[in-house]
Amino acid sequence: RKEVEQDPGPFNVPEGATVAFNCTYSNSASQSFFWYRQDCRKEPKLLMSVYSSGNEDGRFTAQLNRASQYISLLIRDSKLSDSATYLCVVYSGTYKYIFGTGTRLKVLA
Amino acid sequence: GAGVSQTPSNKVTEKGKYVELRCDPISGHTALYWYRQSLGQGPEFLIYFQGTGAADDSGLPNDRFFAVRPEGSVSTLKIQRTERGDSAVYLCASSLDWNTGELFFGEGSRLTVL
Repeated sequence: RKEVEQDPGPFNVPEGATVAFNCTYSNSASQSFFWYRQDCRKEPKLLMSVYSSGNEDGRFTAQLNRASQYISLLIRDSKLSDSATYLCVVYSGTYKYIFGTGTRLKVLA
Repeated sequence: GAGVSQTPSNKVTEKGKYVELRCDPISGHTALYWYRQSLGQGPEFLIYFQGTGAADDSGLPNDRFFAVRPEGSVSTLKIQRTERGDSAVYLCASSLDWNTGELFFGEGSRLTVL
């Protein structure tokens, strides 16, 4: 079983739609969680950290469920510019940031 | 620029050859990571440096892979006797420290082994 698992998608949604991605992790001792965004043939960039209480940044909401060991990302009012791959990242406390395979999102006009 | 710089951006080599990939991190960042990304996959951890020392090299796939960071800044990933399966994008990332959560990636070095 992979340490971090994501549905690879692709998710094709119309502009304005709400879309949610989930990510599960296997190491219950994991300490920190993040969502990164990666555009096609570009490097990953931090989108947001994920806190136990949940956090919101504009149209983006991230939540953590430690009991079930999953993280979610919700995007409201999708824009064409949101089209990208969203990478779930888990830090387990041994210097390593473990990336999921990523979920591809395509927002359609 | 002020970002992470990686060279070469593209490298095509023949099976069996030796390759060096260079990473110049953001000035002042003590943490440096190498990842490898294959098509359709997420970045796969290779090695982490804190300063000059490799704090964790558990992700290096075998002894053909080696990395150094002699002065605590620039790092070089070295691959001996390249194989076709080594073809991937090699990403370098730096961070102020290991626990900040924000890794700043370079644009990567795309390695193709023929």
